[in-house]
Amino acid sequence: NAGVTQTPKFQVLKTGQSMTLQCAQDMNHNSMYWYRQDPGMGLRLIYYSASEGTTDKGEVPNGYNVSRLNKREFSLRLESAAPSQTSVYFCASTPKTGRNTIYFGEGSWLTVV
Amino acid sequence: KQEVTQIPAALSVPEGENLVLNCSFTDSAIYNLQWFRQDPGKGLTSLLLIQSSQREQTSGRLNASLDKSSGRSTLYIAASQPGDSATYLCAVSPMNYGGATNKLIFGTGTLLAVQP
Repeated sequence: NAGVTQTPKFQVLKTGQSMTLQCAQDMNHNSMYWYRQDPGMGLRLIYYSASEGTTDKGEVPNGYNVSRLNKREFSLRLESAAPSQTSVYFCASTPKTGRNTIYFGEGSWLTVV
Repeated sequence: KQEVTQIPAALSVPEGENLVLNCSFTDSAIYNLQWFRQDPGKGLTSLLLIQSSQREQTSGRLNASLDKSSGRSTLYIAASQPGDSATYLCAVSPMNYGGATNKLIFGTGTLLAVQP
């Protein structure tokens, strides 16, 4: 009963390095999301995918790219990491487009030094 | 731009007390409002979802109300327990965020500590 699984859980990067955060859900959900959580700012939407084959920008997309590899997987890529991207990243999914209960992964802690 | 505020930022209560957490939002054009629980080092778990046409939702000891016209929601926790200690976040799904996808605007949360 995995739900939404994110890897890695912890990562330290040097400024300028690239990396990809992986996310997979086993609930046959159509829509997937990437949020970041920073102290005092709440969660903010980076990118989302309403359905397989589509992706759209959220509130804070700069410095990130995403790929909806298939219905299960939605990855987030940092091409050239910056200290401002130090954050906790959460992947989430919902059954379909529309206003449904959202399910979150356990988060990926990223530090850029 | 939609903004979501939660007050207080932190709350400490003795076990057994009934308590209310507050959430306010600036734009009443929302599809729904959700309350989440977040334990330290963990993801968010949805507790209650209130559609814009509803006034309240209940689950066990939790009751959430929604007053869209005034831009307010409350989460009522009855007979609090130490296991209720966590951060509670509210989030709205704004109508003007584009499309029907469940894109959420979050508050910064209330950190609740229930003392045994």
